[in-house]
Amino acid sequence: AQSVTQPDIHITVSEGASLELRCNYSYGATPYLFWYVQSPGQGLQLLLKYFSGDTLVQGIKGFEAEFKRSQSSFNLRKPSVHWSDAAEYFCAVGARETSGSRLTFGEGTQLTVNP
Amino acid sequence: DSGVTQTPKHLITATGQRVTLRCSPRSGDLSVYWYQQSLDQGLQFLIQYYNGEERAKGNILERFSAQQFPDLHSELNLSSLELGDSALYFCASSVASSYNEQFFGPGTRLTVL
Repeated sequence: AQSVTQPDIHITVSEGASLELRCNYSYGATPYLFWYVQSPGQGLQLLLKYFSGDTLVQGIKGFEAEFKRSQSSFNLRKPSVHWSDAAEYFCAVGARETSGSRLTFGEGTQLTVNP
Repeated sequence: DSGVTQTPKHLITATGQRVTLRCSPRSGDLSVYWYQQSLDQGLQFLIQYYNGEERAKGNILERFSAQQFPDLHSELNLSSLELGDSALYFCASSVASSYNEQFFGPGTRLTVL
């Protein structure tokens, strides 16, 4: 069975600082991976995805993530954080099943941005 | 706005009752997924339907059931409700049955008193 670990429950950064959110996954085959963001009272918005190919993927809002198979990681980065980035971030792994699919989510990382 | 709609936004009910949550997928999407988000369990996959057929099942309780109708909207039925069923229930949709990204609706917040 697949699993996702987000080691940091809460991260605080200053506006304009760089950001890296960690994600480690466990999955027996080649995974497909996602980062979602959830603002208070909102649904989950897809930031970026990795299926195959280039291991550095670009997403919306200036985010990027790098897939490292050797480390089973898919860390999310942003060079300069904006106050509007304050939210909860979820990493997810998709399972390739015979006839369907499911996402397994990490526990989330709450991001606070200080002015 | 993802294009996935869910109704109602909020639902308050009592223990032992039954409720129905409704989801309309994005135009053109054939798959619908249901997830439960709670403080103690996090985001958990419940069930997936593709073009009316059940395709994947998670740790969905026997008191819960779902279906997808010919117009592709889906309903999640929760019965004999318990306090612990209080959670945010998300619906997501995707084009295909597997190997694709899922787009989430705004969720239905269920409170069981």
